[in-house]
Amino acid sequence: DVKVTQSSRYLVKRTGEKVFLECVQDMDHENMFWYRQDPGLGLRLIYFSYDVKMKEKGDIPEGYSVSREKKERFSLILESASTNQTSMYLCASGPGGTVPQETQYFGPGTRLLVL
Amino acid sequence: EDQVTQSPEALRLQEGESSSLNCSYTVSGLRGLFWYRQDPGKGPEFLFTLYSAGEEKEKERLKATLTKKESFLHITAPKPEDSATYLCAVRPYSSASKIIFGSGTRLSIRP
Repeated sequence: DVKVTQSSRYLVKRTGEKVFLECVQDMDHENMFWYRQDPGLGLRLIYFSYDVKMKEKGDIPEGYSVSREKKERFSLILESASTNQTSMYLCASGPGGTVPQETQYFGPGTRLLVL
Repeated sequence: EDQVTQSPEALRLQEGESSSLNCSYTVSGLRGLFWYRQDPGKGPEFLFTLYSAGEEKEKERLKATLTKKESFLHITAPKPEDSATYLCAVRPYSSASKIIFGSGTRLSIRP
């Protein structure tokens, strides 16, 4: 079974703090993704990575950065947290390359509250 | 523009009352269409992949079908444990990696 784990289920941070969200997958997938999910807005892609040290902006990258130093690990960084970044953050991974039809597998999510 | 629309937004059924959820899509060529189930406070759980019109997949009380413009998730004799949000997503030919999600249908099954 594919397993995607996220470092925290719940986080409470103060405005202006630097926040790190970590994601690890155990399926040797090339692609990894960070989404945020808000009521009424659905899933929105923040960043994705198709290889180690490679990244691409998604639909809403402002205020976020990412790091992928190892294939299995993809980190989302909020440089200076703001209240409008309060959300559910979901990490996903999926195979790339010769399996373009394959889907993405999601972690359990991190619910972040910024006060 | 590639787009995915799900309807209805919410559906309340009595236990045993069968129904269907709709996912309409507009893409410039379809690599794959995916259905997920999401329970409150959790990440989406993958259910099915459909690749071509006419294809069907089944899992317990769920059956997913695909045409050239839409997909249906049929739920037969649902039970309360089938209550969840069901998400549809597509991967267009224009994207090697990204998939586009619909906003979901929130399904509630009353005992």
